[in-house]
Amino acid sequence: DTGVSQDPRHKITKRGQNVTFRCDPISEHNRLYWYRQTLGQGPEFLTYFQNEAQLEKSRLLSDRFSAERPKGSFSTLEIQRTEQGDSAMYLCASSPGTYSNQPQHFGDGTRLSIL
Amino acid sequence: AQTVTQSQPEMSVQEAETVTLSCTYDTSESDYYLFWYKQPPSRQMILVIRQEAYKQQNATENRFSVNFQKAAKSFSLKISDSQLGDAAMYFCAYLNRDDKIIFGKGTRLHILP
Repeated sequence: DTGVSQDPRHKITKRGQNVTFRCDPISEHNRLYWYRQTLGQGPEFLTYFQNEAQLEKSRLLSDRFSAERPKGSFSTLEIQRTEQGDSAMYLCASSPGTYSNQPQHFGDGTRLSIL
Repeated sequence: AQTVTQSQPEMSVQEAETVTLSCTYDTSESDYYLFWYKQPPSRQMILVIRQEAYKQQNATENRFSVNFQKAAKSFSLKISDSQLGDAAMYFCAYLNRDDKIIFGKGTRLHILP
């Protein structure tokens, strides 16, 4: 168990650029979640996958955001035409299965700063 | 929709003393899970303690314990013998039937040496 890995840890980009983040969940974890955390707030749910299927997307996820989990392993979160309001910490989490008390394990997050 | 409220943005406690962090939540579900997560500065969010709503007994993990009041929809965290390493943001969290976690806004805990 190597934990949830996220890359990069920090991303600084100019407004209008596209960015892509990667998350590698704990192996054999079927569920993978993306959250966004802004300063002074708790994480907010963005989307999640059961294996390769994206089951739900939050209203927070505008059409500039897209997430994939090909082959049910790692996941990518892409933001197109970034805006100042996209500056946040993007957290990935994984869990073994559906609705249980098995906790979601979080990665270190990717901190995005938009200049 | 479920909500989680943490009414204490910041708290301070003397090292070795006991501190209680408050959390209330709102839900129409009868079966759910509650968690406290700890997020040290610039570090990973980690699970501190969990509580199943159908269990009346309060969960305990070493120096951490909860006071779960289901009727009052209250879920407080007590940290005994506070240590410098306990300094962090603490998030109360609710796991709903759609397997999504709803977090509170957090309480920043300072440990005074």
